[in-house]
Amino acid sequence: AQRVTQPEKLLSVFKGAPVELKCNYSYSGSPELFWYVQYSRQRLQLLLRHISRESIKGFTADLNKGETSFHLKKPFAQEEDSAMYYCALRGSQGNLIFGKGTKLSVKP
Amino acid sequence: KAGVTQTPRYLIKTRGQQVTLSCSPISGHRSVSWYQQTPGQGLQFLFEYFSETQRNKGNFPGRFSGRQFSNSRSEMNVSTLELGDSALYLCASGRDWKTGGADYGYTFGSGTRLTVV
Repeated sequence: AQRVTQPEKLLSVFKGAPVELKCNYSYSGSPELFWYVQYSRQRLQLLLRHISRESIKGFTADLNKGETSFHLKKPFAQEEDSAMYYCALRGSQGNLIFGKGTKLSVKP
Repeated sequence: KAGVTQTPRYLIKTRGQQVTLSCSPISGHRSVSWYQQTPGQGLQFLFEYFSETQRNKGNFPGRFSGRQFSNSRSEMNVSTLELGDSALYLCASGRDWKTGGADYGYTFGSGTRLTVV
């Protein structure tokens, strides 16, 4: 089965604290993984792709095939990082398979 | 460049009616996908169109249909609306994932919020 699991519905941290949003996937073959972010009242936006190994807004994510994980990390959270974060896997038919999302709340 | 445009932004319909939603992709994008977003089920894939052909379909009843025009614009139709169809419907456009390219991640529109009463 092709599946994405985000175990935390809500993650609350203080400003300046490290953040790790967990994502686990189930996929046979080489996965293509993404993180999308949805700020309040804004559209879903692509944050980063594992294939490009980029760092956007201080966030990074490393694909760990052994643990089938693609956790999103940021060393120092900012209040403007508060948003819904979705991990997504490109399925074998091309469609994106999303996790249920994690709401990140960064408190001042 | 212009983003993905979805119209209308909001719709209120009664049960049993039908509705048509529209999506204009980013210029040059030939793939258009539709997703349904609800608080309970999250983001679920409806279907993908590429070059006017439905290339992939999710697990939704036949009441959900779509089409794509030669200019890549796409429409989604839901017939015989049910209360459970109330959701945010998102359109995403992208290049052809099958042939690769730098633009792997789809770009989403702001969505059409459909309320069925």
